[in-house]
Amino acid sequence: EAQVTQNPRYLITVTGKKLTVTCSQNMNHEYMSWYRQDPGLGLRQIYYSMNVEVTDKGDVPEGYKVSRKEKRNFPLILESPSPNQTSLYFCASRVPGKPGGYTFGSGTRLTVV
Amino acid sequence: AQSVTQLGSHVSVSEGALVLLRCNYSSSVPPYLFWYVQYPNQGLQLLLKYTTGATLVKGINGFEAEFKKSETSFHLTKPSAHMSDAAEYFCAVSPSSSGTYKYIFGTGTRLKVLA
Repeated sequence: EAQVTQNPRYLITVTGKKLTVTCSQNMNHEYMSWYRQDPGLGLRQIYYSMNVEVTDKGDVPEGYKVSRKEKRNFPLILESPSPNQTSLYFCASRVPGKPGGYTFGSGTRLTVV
Repeated sequence: AQSVTQLGSHVSVSEGALVLLRCNYSSSVPPYLFWYVQYPNQGLQLLLKYTTGATLVKGINGFEAEFKKSETSFHLTKPSAHMSDAAEYFCAVSPSSSGTYKYIFGTGTRLKVLA
């Protein structure tokens, strides 16, 4: 089954404790992206990657890092989480250059206390 | 710059009534347009998309949307609401020019279906 898998689904952590949210897709998509979803703000792009070793900032990259060492994986790293990073996070992938839609993961609900 | 506006953050309809969720976009060239649905505790699923060709687009679960260039709109409709349609709906726009992949999402409309 074609899918994007995120882990964990839920995470509660403390301010300053480094964490990684994993994302993996099995569709051989070149393009992957991370979004955060906040009430009233919709989805905002954090980072995206157009291929292996090619990443770039989205609209709200502050406080986040990503890496793309393999085509299928695109982890999101919070080196020093803060409470304003409490949010619902989605990883998504698609075929670039074609008018297709995204395939989204099921989301990671992060709470930073 | 592109933008997308969804009118109404919350919409309530009775079961069996028409569903109309509004989306307007701003773009210097005709974009690609999408509607996504998000059920509770799930990711977003693609409902339908407009790229080129017929301006009335049919999607899954009986939903359809019409691209109206003159009105810069892409409203989502369904003739008869079901309880299972209760979800959040997002409109999104993407440039149609090659080499650019930026998606812009609207802020979402939460649909409530009343028994």
